[in-house]
Amino acid sequence: SQQGEEDPQALSIQEGENATMNCSYKTSINNLQWYRQNSGRGLVHLILIRSNEREKHSGRLRVTLDTSKKSSSLLITASRAADTASYFCATDANDYKLSFGAGTTVTVRA
Amino acid sequence: NAGVMQNPRHLVRRRGQEARLRCSPVKGHSHVYWYRQLPEEGLKFMVYLQKENIIDESGMPKERFSAEFPKEGPSILRIQQVVRGDSAAYFCASSPPSKGTQYFGPGTRLLVL
Repeated sequence: SQQGEEDPQALSIQEGENATMNCSYKTSINNLQWYRQNSGRGLVHLILIRSNEREKHSGRLRVTLDTSKKSSSLLITASRAADTASYFCATDANDYKLSFGAGTTVTVRA
Repeated sequence: NAGVMQNPRHLVRRRGQEARLRCSPVKGHSHVYWYRQLPEEGLKFMVYLQKENIIDESGMPKERFSAEFPKEGPSILRIQQVVRGDSAAYFCASSPPSKGTQYFGPGTRLLVL
């Protein structure tokens, strides 16, 4: 069964708005990672948050992790057209086998 | 500073043929992982290899699929006697000896006719 489940499945926003997506998982994890995938392309690593961390920032990205609720959120601030992509969370119960959700497809309208 | 390289990027095979997918990890990375992505789905783990060793192949179908990571050369994912259900994007990732972040290649999109 999938470990990470993203919500919503799809999100459409206006350029300049913020985009928030959530990820829930089932079992204990070491780390949680967020990846971006542009249509028909490979995955780009965005950010890794460890199980003992609660929040992490990278540029316009902000990730939170709540291990008590087994959930994480990814916030993209001041979105741009180039942020249009699918976003995946990936968890690792051990130190190598990543489990991905089905992703959130984000469309940023100009 | 090349990232993970995969070839071919697109591969078309007829049912019953063999598909051979290649992955060259980031220079210095000794861990290779293969994942499969079906349309509209997330990636599913297939196999984890280190040089000349299969560490975990729990996500590999028991038949027709094999993977190797030889001492020299790229990692190979081999699918024998392909069927239409094998049509998917196959991604390779690598990580350094300390593991941590996995860096993904651009993928090979396999289409079985």
